[in-house]
Amino acid sequence: GAVVSQHPSWVICKSGTSVKIECRSLDFQATTMFWYRQFPKQSLMLMATSNEGSKATYEQGVEKDKFLINHASLTLSTLTVTSAHPEDSSFYICSATGTSGRAFSYEQYFGPGTRLTVT
Amino acid sequence: QKEVEQNSGPLSVPEGAIASLNCTYSDRGSQSFFWYRQYSGKSPELIMFIYSNGDKEDGRFTAQLNKASQYVSLLIRDSQPSDSATYLCAVNSGGFKTIFGAGTRLFVKA
Repeated sequence: GAVVSQHPSWVICKSGTSVKIECRSLDFQATTMFWYRQFPKQSLMLMATSNEGSKATYEQGVEKDKFLINHASLTLSTLTVTSAHPEDSSFYICSATGTSGRAFSYEQYFGPGTRLTVT
Repeated sequence: QKEVEQNSGPLSVPEGAIASLNCTYSDRGSQSFFWYRQYSGKSPELIMFIYSNGDKEDGRFTAQLNKASQYVSLLIRDSQPSDSATYLCAVNSGGFKTIFGAGTRLFVKA
């Protein structure tokens, strides 16, 4: 159980265009989803936290108008990189956590990631 | 600032040896502790979680938690080359926000 998918797995886009990445929880209801970015040989960097039906909470330094997050249902969150630039090229990973009947259910399950290259 | 600290490594161990990965955290109120494995170019994969002081064993993996000393460790017995990866320690202090360490790179030599 606890499978999270991401689509697409990789994408190449031109500078100035927008790219949408989808994150889905396949076998559980994701009350909270997280979006991370990871540059080569660096650690995970949390970009934002989203709860179903409410606005995302962005980490300091992350432009909310550039990285649009929508968590419209308990199984789907999307990240849209608007007006992408080459410096936005990175590995974007979502994770999800949700209710599972346990007393503490804070383990995050990660999607396989989306590699974005902006040319 | 809540922090999770890990030695970046690389930690190099011979095949068959025990690999010991350590992590310290700053928030005494932390309740949940996780170890993730991340292969190069892949996303993290949850391998262990622990909530109570003491040891928790799962196959070749043992997680150890000492809340008084604010550290959590991961032991990998009979290390295999396929265990070579970056291991991320993660700590949750309640709520859904988890703080990740920067990770320790493990290299298991055949």
